[in-house]
Amino acid sequence: AQTVTQSQPEMSVQEAETVTLSCTYDTSESDYYLFWYKQPPSRQMILVIRQEAYKQQNATENRFSVNFQKAAKSFSLKISDSQLGDAAMYFCAYRSGSRLTFGEGTQLTVNP
Amino acid sequence: ETGVTQTPRHLVMGMTNKKSLKCEQHLGHNAMYWYKQSAKKPLELMFVYNFKEQTENNSVPSRFSPECPNSSHLFLHLHTLQPEDSALYLCASSQGGGDRVGYTFGSGTRLTVV
Repeated sequence: AQTVTQSQPEMSVQEAETVTLSCTYDTSESDYYLFWYKQPPSRQMILVIRQEAYKQQNATENRFSVNFQKAAKSFSLKISDSQLGDAAMYFCAYRSGSRLTFGEGTQLTVNP
Repeated sequence: ETGVTQTPRHLVMGMTNKKSLKCEQHLGHNAMYWYKQSAKKPLELMFVYNFKEQTENNSVPSRFSPECPNSSHLFLHLHTLQPEDSALYLCASSQGGGDRVGYTFGSGTRLTVV
């Protein structure tokens, strides 16, 4: 079974600085997708960024980028120029077929 | 508004009550899911429906009974729940399996069992 591990229950960052959230996963499959979701206090799970496993190029969405290391099964999220609105719980997720498996989450605090 | 609507937003029920959670999507997706989110734990997949057919039941107790009358609506019927069932219940939808896009989630129903 696939597992997703986020080893940082909590992280904090100063506004305008950069923070990296870690994620590792375990799978025997070669074709899959990886995602980072954000869950603010409103509880809405919002897709932040996604990565196809067959692509070597790291995905980027504005201030959000990933460092995808397929051999190491690592998928970290970098948030640049952090903003107060980035404060939320961040979940790393793995998808193969229709099943989406989540990590435990990292609570990100952004300090003004 | 994300296209996936869950009602009610909050629910408090006694252990002997029967209630239902509702999820509705207008995205044209053909797969729908129920997840349970408890504090300090990863989201737990409960049920998966594809084209109204249940394709996965992740060993969920029978006191949780899902219903999917069509591809746009998903219900979770609750009866004789336990206090440990208190959690945020999230509904999601997607365009089938193997899709490169992740799920679209609703805002959840915060359930408290007293």
